[in-house]
Amino acid sequence: EFVLTQSPGTLSLSPGERATLSCRASPTISSSYLAWFQQKPGQAPRLLIYGASYRATGIPDRFSGSGSGTDFTLTINRLEPEDFAIYFCQQYGDSPVTFGGGTKVEIK
Amino acid sequence: EVQLVESGGGLVKPGRSLRLSCTASGFSIGDYTMTWFRLAPGKGLEWVGFIRIQMYGGATEYAASVEGRFTITRDDSNNIAHLQVTSLKEEDTAVYYCARWSGRVPFKAMDVWGQGTTVTVSS
Repeated sequence: EFVLTQSPGTLSLSPGERATLSCRASPTISSSYLAWFQQKPGQAPRLLIYGASYRATGIPDRFSGSGSGTDFTLTINRLEPEDFAIYFCQQYGDSPVTFGGGTKVEIK
Repeated sequence: EVQLVESGGGLVKPGRSLRLSCTASGFSIGDYTMTWFRLAPGKGLEWVGFIRIQMYGGATEYAASVEGRFTITRDDSNNIAHLQVTSLKEEDTAVYYCARWSGRVPFKAMDVWGQGTTVTVSS
């Protein structure tokens, strides 16, 4: 089973700043089947990034994903008020599909 | 509009059963692996299981925590998937989400999710 560890647990930033979220996988995700989701209270998760670096349909270009193997990053440039939420990484290349514990991006 | 809507949740006693439904509109589920997840209070997202497209025999896979108690089925003609949950435990209390996952291009991940249906297991 792939274990995904996200850091930091909470990121306190101001609108306009850049957010850098980390997701570390163990063992190595060989196929880059790594996705990032945004979730707000009471709402469904929203796919942001798939295949480690491909933006999903309709996702603004301030969201970007990078990484391979064991280290993956979600970067949000110029935070907008609607970006303050919880972000999860997910590996979906093998069963069981697994998630990281999440990073909360909160307003400083 | 492409949409998934879950229904069937509620308050049930331990040991009881429920059938959750995931109704799709705006697309045909026949092209998609239909996947279920859950979010328990104070916990992270958990994969429950999925059912593959008919081209792959409609095969199912489940998380170890629900194997043998939960069953996923699909009715492509009515554009609906179901999650039958039996022998419910208090730790099954969660919001249950369904999501579509391209059956032919799995690289594209789970791109459409429903709003969820809440299952509360309590005596």
